[in-house]
Amino acid sequence: SAVISQKPSRDICQRGTSLTIQCQVDSQVTMMFWYRQQPGQSLTLIATANQGSEATYESGFVIDKFPISRPNLTFSTLTVSNMSPEDSSIYLCSVDSGQGNTGELFFGEGSRLTVL
Amino acid sequence: AQSVSQHNHHVILSEAASLELGCNYSYGGTVNLFWYVQYPGQHLQLLLKYFSGDPLVKGIKGFEAEFIKSKFSFNLRKPSVQWSDTAEYFCAVNPFSGGYNKLIFGAGTRLAVHP
Repeated sequence: SAVISQKPSRDICQRGTSLTIQCQVDSQVTMMFWYRQQPGQSLTLIATANQGSEATYESGFVIDKFPISRPNLTFSTLTVSNMSPEDSSIYLCSVDSGQGNTGELFFGEGSRLTVL
Repeated sequence: AQSVSQHNHHVILSEAASLELGCNYSYGGTVNLFWYVQYPGQHLQLLLKYFSGDPLVKGIKGFEAEFIKSKFSFNLRKPSVQWSDTAEYFCAVNPFSGGYNKLIFGAGTRLAVHP
């Protein structure tokens, strides 16, 4: 299994600011995924990030709000832009198991953002 | 709308009680099914998975789940829970088996096991 490290683990942010979350994996992976878990709700996929190409965003999420970088096969960042209290969530980075498109994922510990 | 439903949001049990957490999904076709667990302060971990074959799958820590295709269900079971099973449990479905790596999660069930 992959070991995934996220920074920051938690942060308190002011309305209107932006925050970048980093995700580092201990092995090279093709696909990285960013999920959001809002308080009391389930995990929702924000986007899929492949190295060397633009991220693919799910319905309801846009690049201007959640720009993603994927500079190499072990690293990705997610920026939450112009934050509002509704962006208070846990943001999780995940990678696939490398066994094809089964949906089996490994997750980081998440970054808990609170927007005041 | 297509979705994954977990019937219980909070479950409280005493040690040694039996556990069954319900999960239903509304996707047709071939799906891959998962249960993930998140222990307090830890990251999401895979508990067990079903891709094909025997519909009764066994996972870590004595958990098992049964896929019933006709009922679109994938319920999680454990005959005798322990205090260490206190965690949040998520059912997840990949409705694009083999074509796309996308997981749809249920809302989660918080399990509290009392000694």
